Amino acid sequence: QLQLQESGPGLVKASETLSLTCSVSGDFISTTSYFWGWIRQPPGKGLEWIGSVYFTGNTFYNPSLKSRVTISVDTSKNQFSLRLNSVTAADTAVYYCARPEGLLPSSPFHHWGQGTLVTVSS
Amino acid sequence: SYVLTQPASVSVAPGQTARITCEGDNIGGISVHWFQQKPGQAPVLVISHDTDRPSGIPERFSGSNSGNTATLTISRVAAGDEADYYCQVWENSRDAVVFGGGTKLTVL
Repeated sequence: QLQLQESGPGLVKASETLSLTCSVSGDFISTTSYFWGWIRQPPGKGLEWIGSVYFTGNTFYNPSLKSRVTISVDTSKNQFSLRLNSVTAADTAVYYCARPEGLLPSSPFHHWGQGTLVTVSS
Repeated sequence: SYVLTQPASVSVAPGQTARITCEGDNIGGISVHWFQQKPGQAPVLVISHDTDRPSGIPERFSGSNSGNTATLTISRVAAGDEADYYCQVWENSRDAVVFGGGTKLTVL
């Protein structure tokens, strides 16, 4: 059974870089043709897609975040990661990693991690 | 950018039918997906590709999509259906996932 688990610092200082990792079990990033995604949700607000990555490293990013975001894969560790530069209080959110059932980047996210809260402090 | 508009809230009595709309320019021409999110939990996909129900989702949940409006319909609403619901599409022109702002369903 596929399981996704986010990990990383829960507190990041403003202007610094937010780094999170999604550990995958029950599936292998290197052998399955899925796009793996990051989505976030500020407290009390809606969902915002950050971006998605293929096992080859091919990426799609939210245009509004593209200048600050890097999503990468580490197939040897069966993980994929998110880096968000120059964070501000507006980046405070629960961050989710997720995977669709379909093989296209447009496929809806079917499997989600439990989410991890990241707070940006001044 | 493509904008999806949902009502902020919908209220329905137990046993009745709830309809949650998602408006977008010619949304009927693209696939719409719907997520349910309960407090403190990750979203759950309840409808994919306009009308498909993932395994484990009750038949009470159904979807439709035409013109400028997609609709999630929940029949025989129960207290356990109280949650936030989000629509989502893929914006081809920008290769981007877009979520609606979400609708809070209240069961009276």
